[in-house]
Amino acid sequence: GESVGLHLPTLSVQEGDNSIINCAYSNSASDYFIWYKQESGKGPQFIIDIRSNMDKRQGQRVTVLLNKTVKHLSLQIAATQPGDSAVYFCAENNAGNMLTFGGGTRLMVKP
Amino acid sequence: DSGVTQTPKHLITATGQRVTLRCSPRSGDLSVYWYQQSLDQGLQFLIQYYNGEERAKGNILERFSAQQFPDLHSELNLSSLELGDSALYFCASSGPTGNIEKLFFGSGTQLSVL
Repeated sequence: GESVGLHLPTLSVQEGDNSIINCAYSNSASDYFIWYKQESGKGPQFIIDIRSNMDKRQGQRVTVLLNKTVKHLSLQIAATQPGDSAVYFCAENNAGNMLTFGGGTRLMVKP
Repeated sequence: DSGVTQTPKHLITATGQRVTLRCSPRSGDLSVYWYQQSLDQGLQFLIQYYNGEERAKGNILERFSAQQFPDLHSELNLSSLELGDSALYFCASSGPTGNIEKLFFGSGTQLSVL
């Protein structure tokens, strides 16, 4: 079946640098995408979402980019901080009322 | 704090047993979703309830069942437990429309089947 996937399982960045986490999706009918952050021992925490009629959306220190042509989603974190260390999941709404999650990328921030 | 409450936080039981996981959604949310998170499967959608009615079903085993009560809290029942059922079980809730919106997740129940 179609699924959401991630290119890099682990990303290590220096504190203060920008981070880019990538996600590929395969269902061109998906119309809603979300990024979640999951810290150890906690549930996933909503970061930012984007609908398919947009190609960019900005939040506080985060930007999500959507490229429908190549079915690619990315999360950019500016000035990465130690508190950003977590696993990041992208998710897509591709079957009515169901979110399909990618496998996750672990972000490690080096001080 | 997401506002979604899950109990218990940890559950240790034996194969063949039955357990019940409980979830209280955020105030005002009508939808409750259940997800299973294991190391080799990631986050898997199990089932959604909206205002007491089943709305969507994912990869939920026949040994598992759920319900949502009039006060909107939900329970996930897992029976005839197997070793492979060991996982983190998350509940999430979303707003009044019943459509996919940003989900707010609880802290999860860690189930260990020995």
